[in-house]
Amino acid sequence: GENVEQHPSTLSVQEGDSAVIKCTYSDSASNYFPWYKQELGKGPQLIIDIRSNVGEKKDQRIAVTLNKTAKHFSLHITETQPEDSAVYFCAAGGTGFQKLVFGTGTRLLVSP
Amino acid sequence: DVKVTQSSRYLVKRTGEKVFLECVQDMDHENMFWYRQDPGLGLRLIYFSYDVKMKEKGDIPEGYSVSREKKERFSLILESASTNQTSMYLCASSQGEAGELFFGEGSRLTVL
Repeated sequence: GENVEQHPSTLSVQEGDSAVIKCTYSDSASNYFPWYKQELGKGPQLIIDIRSNVGEKKDQRIAVTLNKTAKHFSLHITETQPEDSAVYFCAAGGTGFQKLVFGTGTRLLVSP
Repeated sequence: DVKVTQSSRYLVKRTGEKVFLECVQDMDHENMFWYRQDPGLGLRLIYFSYDVKMKEKGDIPEGYSVSREKKERFSLILESASTNQTSMYLCASSQGEAGELFFGEGSRLTVL
C-alpha cells in the first residue's frame, strides 16, 4: 500500500522567511496530493491540492510542486506570518477517497 | 460553510468501558470518516462510510466499530476501551471521490 514520509517534523522560521515542507510517496498510482493545515484546537483544513497532471500550483503565498518521477511533492510558503504557525499534513491518494494516506505532520512555528 | 460537529471534545473513560463518539455533518455529504491522530504518526483511517448503513474498514479498524443509521451521523464505538486507544479522534466528511475532507474539531479520549 501507499506510504507517505514527511520532513521535517518541526520547522522554525522568522516572520517573512520562506518555509518548505517535503513529502515522498511510494505508490506510483497515486494521483492526488492535498495539503492540510491544523491550527491549535481545530481539525485539519485543506489549504491546497494538486493532481498528477500538473507540476505546480500556486495560491497567493502558498505553492505546491510535484515531481512524479521522483515521487515527491513539496509545500512552499513565502513571506511567512505568525498566523501560518500550525501543523501541516501532506497526503497522497489514488482514485477513490479510501486510498488517501497522510504524512506524519510538520509543526511550523513562525516567530515575529 | 460545512460544519462537522463532534459531540464531545474531551472524554475520560476507564479500561473496559464502552465508548461512543458521535459525529454529525450538516452538508448532506455522502462520505464520512473516522481518523485517529497520534504524535509522530499523523492521521490514520479507522473506518469510513460512503452511504447510509455502509461501512468500510480503514487502516486500523481493530478494536473499533462504527454505525451510520442516518446520512448526517456517523458514530465510532469502542466496545471495550483499552489504554492504547487513548488518542485524538477526528471525524470528517466529503462529497464524491477524492473530494475535500471537512474535519470536526476532534475528540480527545483518555482511557485510564
